Amino acid sequence: SQTIHQWPATLVQPVGSPLSLECTVEGTSNPNLYWYRQAAGRGLQLLFYSVGIGQISSEVPQNLSASRPQDRQFILSSKKLLLSDSGFYLCAWSVGGQGNGYTFGSGTRLTVV
Amino acid sequence: GDSVTQMEGPVTLSEEAFLTINCTYTATGYPSLFWYVQYPGEGLQLLLKATKADDKGSNKGFEATYRKETTSFHLEKGSVQVSDSAVYFCARDYGQNFVFGPGTRLSVLP
Repeated sequence: SQTIHQWPATLVQPVGSPLSLECTVEGTSNPNLYWYRQAAGRGLQLLFYSVGIGQISSEVPQNLSASRPQDRQFILSSKKLLLSDSGFYLCAWSVGGQGNGYTFGSGTRLTVV
Repeated sequence: GDSVTQMEGPVTLSEEAFLTINCTYTATGYPSLFWYVQYPGEGLQLLLKATKADDKGSNKGFEATYRKETTSFHLEKGSVQVSDSAVYFCARDYGQNFVFGPGTRLSVLP
């Protein structure tokens, strides 16, 4: 079966520290992969998406970067966190054409202090 | 550009009340439409979907009908339960990506 793993579930980091969030997908090949951020009480903001290894599209210029070193691995990083980076980060994947929808991971709640 | 609009929340209902959460989308192309649900502290789960006009998606007592003439995909449930308390997101696909509405928080009181 197809599953998506995202970790850690919760993270508290000081301002200026680096960040690495990892997402892996099982049971599918060549998925489209996505990173979303959800700030407190707000909607979803698409940060990055990837249609293949090494292919990253950035939707919003910011303090974050993404990488896809393997087909089913998607990493969200930052060299120096800002307070405004706090939020709920969601990884998602999709395959195929229209109508298939996204499958989301369980999310990482990041608090920058 | 393409967008999805949802009714502003929060919505507070008593148990067994009828629920409607309105959703409209911009009519570029022929999108597939989705409702996602986010329970407290969790990621989003696909609730239901419809891929063409007049299709009705349904799951867990929730329903939504793809109305091309009104560009709408309103979510309905005849009798809500406390366990339905969550944030509901309407979405449409757009190329490789999706466009989500801002979400509507539903609170159901016993």
